[in-house]
Amino acid sequence: AQSVTQLGSHVSVSEGALVLLRCNYSSSVPPYLFWYVQYPNQGLQLLLKYTTGATLVKGINGFEAEFKKSETSFHLTKPSAHMSDAAEYFCAVSDPSFQKLVFGTGTRLLVSP
Amino acid sequence: KAGVTQTPRYLIKTRGQQVTLSCSPISGHRSVSWYQQTPGQGLQFLFEYFSETQRNKGNFPGRFSGRQFSNSRSEMNVSTLELGDSALYLCASSAGPGSNTEAFFGQGTRLTVV
Repeated sequence: AQSVTQLGSHVSVSEGALVLLRCNYSSSVPPYLFWYVQYPNQGLQLLLKYTTGATLVKGINGFEAEFKKSETSFHLTKPSAHMSDAAEYFCAVSDPSFQKLVFGTGTRLLVSP
Repeated sequence: KAGVTQTPRYLIKTRGQQVTLSCSPISGHRSVSWYQQTPGQGLQFLFEYFSETQRNKGNFPGRFSGRQFSNSRSEMNVSTLELGDSALYLCASSAGPGSNTEAFFGQGTRLTVV
């Protein structure tokens, strides 16, 4: 069975500050890991994913995440927040054999001027 | 290239009725997955279809069903609607059945059951 825990349902940062969204996972098989962003009344957009290989993954809009197997973590970071980053972010895990994503409960990122 | 198209975008139904939601995947994509999103339960997997075959099913009652057509379009059906079925239903398409291929999400169908 697979599961994802996202610490903090809301994270507030100032524009220009570091963004850190936390994600820990549990998986019985080597996982694929994902971060998605959702804007109001929209679907999900893939920010980045880890499948195999390099553990530091760079995504769109300046986001990156590092897969740490020993800590079972896949935290999302961005050096400098922008107002347009305000949205809800979901971490997800999957078994590579299936298109079944198991999502965390989401973290709403608030960016203040 | 057109994205994933879900119709309708909004739907209001009465308890006890049934509803059919449609998803047209990106051209060339053969895998379609469905998710339910609610404030209380978050995003939950419903089903996955590839080449007209259901490969995986989430933990939902039998009132929730789906199918995929030869052109990869997919429909999901919910019978005997309950108030708790009110949710955003998201469809995702991908080129292949494994999760090494990116899943592209539609904007969803917001179902309200009254």
